[in-house]
Amino acid sequence: DGGITQSPKYLFRKEGQNVTLSCEQNLNHDAMYWYRQDPGQGLRLIYYSQIVNDFQKGDIAEGYSVSREKKESFPLTVTSAQKNPTAFYLCASSSSGHLNTEAFFGQGTRLTVV
Amino acid sequence: SQQGEEDPQALSIQEGENATMNCSYKTSINNLQWYRQNSGRGLVHLILIRSNEREKHSGRLRVTLDTSKKSSSLLITASRAADTASYFCATDVFSGYSTLTFGKGTMLLVSP
Repeated sequence: DGGITQSPKYLFRKEGQNVTLSCEQNLNHDAMYWYRQDPGQGLRLIYYSQIVNDFQKGDIAEGYSVSREKKESFPLTVTSAQKNPTAFYLCASSSSGHLNTEAFFGQGTRLTVV
Repeated sequence: SQQGEEDPQALSIQEGENATMNCSYKTSINNLQWYRQNSGRGLVHLILIRSNEREKHSGRLRVTLDTSKKSSSLLITASRAADTASYFCATDVFSGYSTLTFGKGTMLLVSP
């Protein structure tokens, strides 16, 4: 059963803590993405990766970090430097970073700062 | 910055009616895509239209693209209560890498 899996579904973070959101795909996709969604807003790109061991900052990368050590995995760390981390985080993948390919999304992780 | 802007922000119709959502964008694109999101869930791809295409159909969905006006529309015909969701347009912009830029979405409510 191919797809993209995010975990956990819900995550609570205390002030000053780092937390890591998991994203795994078995679609053999080269490209992976992290988006943030706030209530009533569209998706904003945090980081993206076109190939293993390479990634680029998106529009709102400050306070976040990523790694791409394996093709299947693209974890996102929300650091204490992110001042307003409460949001819905979506991971996506696509078969190629070039032209005319749809993105497949995970079911999201809802992060709340307590 | 957000490339696409959907209009209207919210739309409420009865089952059986058609729903039309519009998307405007700012820069040249490779393609434009429409996605659907049920509340609290991930996005699901609906349809992709390339920059050299003007119209595309998929089941009850019809998408148009006017690159001269930098706009697109999504028409859902004979809507059903199950079509209730948020709909987003996303543009794939010319660059060394391909990433999607999303609008804020149109929230569609279809009442039985």
